[in-house]
Amino acid sequence: DTAVSQTPKYLVTQMGNDKSIKCEQNLGHDTMYWYKQDSKKFLKIMFSYNNKELIINETVPNRFSPKSPDKAHLNLHINSLELGDSAVYFCASSPRVGVTEAFFGQGTRLTVV
Amino acid sequence: SQQGEEDPQALSIQEGENATMNCSYKTSINNLQWYRQNSGRGLVHLILIRSNEREKHSGRLRVTLDTSKKSSSLLITASRAADTASYFCATANTGFQKLVFGTGTRLLVSP
Repeated sequence: DTAVSQTPKYLVTQMGNDKSIKCEQNLGHDTMYWYKQDSKKFLKIMFSYNNKELIINETVPNRFSPKSPDKAHLNLHINSLELGDSAVYFCASSPRVGVTEAFFGQGTRLTVV
Repeated sequence: SQQGEEDPQALSIQEGENATMNCSYKTSINNLQWYRQNSGRGLVHLILIRSNEREKHSGRLRVTLDTSKKSSSLLITASRAADTASYFCATANTGFQKLVFGTGTRLLVSP
């Protein structure tokens, strides 16, 4: 069973479109994250949720809106996609706030054309 | 800005040799972790060292931490072709609920 799963794995879309990436973890963890990895492999945190509540928003544009319907799911919706949004987006989870080991999904490669 | 800087950016060695990667960070930490990323895959946790620890071992991995120099090193002994991947350090700052990643080292192990 996949611990942290993201869908889709690949996403190609045109500028201006709206898209969503879904993430689910079956580890029973309290904390979930979205990270963005750019073309130079830099990984940067975007959002952190604990028990469905937003605890970190790293100055991400308002076009990005995370939603956590329950603590096992953290989805990412992106409005009005721009070329610069092209990247690999990783969902991750950890047992609790205060960060011990984080478990990562396989990533979603988003390409905006 | 990125918390950690890793050195070297890329490392190419032969199977059986040891590989050493270094990580420097800027602020106080609760713990430091190392992750591996195979091409096109997600990150996999390798080892965690707490701020009050100086050295930790796990199989062929040895991690050191020097909080006075704000630096850590990852040593992979007797490397294998399967160790080819990017390696990232990540710090968990005291009071923060996130991991801040370094710039990564690309390791290539040739048979």
